[in-house]
Amino acid sequence: NAGVTQTPKFQVLKTGQSMTLQCAQDMNHNSMYWYRQDPGMGLRLIYYSASEGTTDKGEVPNGYNVSRLNKREFSLRLESAAPSQTSVYFCASETTFTYEQYFGPGTRLTVT
Amino acid sequence: EDQVTQSPEALRLQEGESSSLNCSYTVSGLRGLFWYRQDPGKGPEFLFTLYSAGEEKEKERLKATLTKKESFLHITAPKPEDSATYLCAVQGEWITGGTSYGKLTFGQGTILTVHP
Repeated sequence: NAGVTQTPKFQVLKTGQSMTLQCAQDMNHNSMYWYRQDPGMGLRLIYYSASEGTTDKGEVPNGYNVSRLNKREFSLRLESAAPSQTSVYFCASETTFTYEQYFGPGTRLTVT
Repeated sequence: EDQVTQSPEALRLQEGESSSLNCSYTVSGLRGLFWYRQDPGKGPEFLFTLYSAGEEKEKERLKATLTKKESFLHITAPKPEDSATYLCAVQGEWITGGTSYGKLTFGQGTILTVHP
């Protein structure tokens, strides 16, 4: 089992460009999450998906959109990147009854 | 609002010198308290879940305990490979649109360095 995979691992964007971060899990989990991690701010929830076809905003959703394509895949889109979105982005999936979240390796994004 | 505070921010130990990391929390409707380990450039790695006060869990040199207000991660006879950032998180329950969801709130982490 690969667990949670994310692509790309690194990305540099210019202000105003768009991109999609991809996430997939092979653990048959219903719930999936997107977080960003910034120095001094810890991990903050961007969006959440309780099941295929549903998504909800987290703590810092502005500037982002998500798509739960199917049970395995949950993507995060930046429509018009801003320098404030420079961060490390993590995707996670969660077990149903024990609420344990398993994280991917992250995408390091720099917006210039 | 759920809150998690970890202390100390950084901890330096000699190999074999046991110590504890603290996680203080306030949460509405605790579903669980989680400990993660994060190595530089990697995603958080799940260590433990604690669900109720008085619960304890162990894994190798690590032992996690839980009270109603805080959790401790005890490290016994640490080795250099235990060096990492240790993250504490609580999952509370919140309801939006008539649906119940879990919400994970992380602390800032404790950076542990174990010197040989």
